[in-house]
Amino acid sequence: DVKVTQSSRYLVKRTGEKVFLECVQDMDHENMFWYRQDPGLGLRLIYFSYDVKMKEKGDIPEGYSVSREKKERFSLILESASTNQTSMYLCATVEGYSYEQYFGPGTRLTVT
Amino acid sequence: DAKTTQPPSMDCAEGRAANLPCNHSTISGNEYVYWYRQIHSQGPQYIIHGLKNNETNEMASLIITEDRKSSTLILPHATLRDTAVYYCIVRVANNAGNMLTFGGGTRLMVKP
Repeated sequence: DVKVTQSSRYLVKRTGEKVFLECVQDMDHENMFWYRQDPGLGLRLIYFSYDVKMKEKGDIPEGYSVSREKKERFSLILESASTNQTSMYLCATVEGYSYEQYFGPGTRLTVT
Repeated sequence: DAKTTQPPSMDCAEGRAANLPCNHSTISGNEYVYWYRQIHSQGPQYIIHGLKNNETNEMASLIITEDRKSSTLILPHATLRDTAVYYCIVRVANNAGNMLTFGGGTRLMVKP
């Protein structure tokens, strides 16, 4: 089974802090994604990466950056956390042009 | 990617079939219909996908109308563990990055 893990299930940070969310997958998949999920808005794509050191902006990249130094790890960075970044963050991975995305359990981030 | 419309919520009795509709009237010829579900506090889980033929797997069946403007996900014998939000997504199979756009979904409540 594909396993996608995220560094924390729950995280509380203060406004202005730098926040790192880590995602690790164990199936050697090329493509990895970061989404955020908010009530009434569904999942929205923040960034994705289709190879090491490659990244592409999704629908809502503002206020975020990403890092992919190794194939199995995709990090989401909030350079200066703000309260409107309080959300559930989900990482996903897919192999090449496969149809099925595998999601991690999510990190619920609260910025106070 | 085409937009989808789903009812916000549905109830189903345990053991009965759950039929979840999805409208995608602007779907184009090379777009597939995907279904995912998200059980509370977990990441989304792939269920099934199809292009124009009806599809069945161990989890569900997917019925796509002949004009492809709508589809129905069928859980043949719903259990309490099928209580989740179900997302219908329409996208090109091999678009760059394989990203998904999730709308609001249908919250299915399976009742004993």
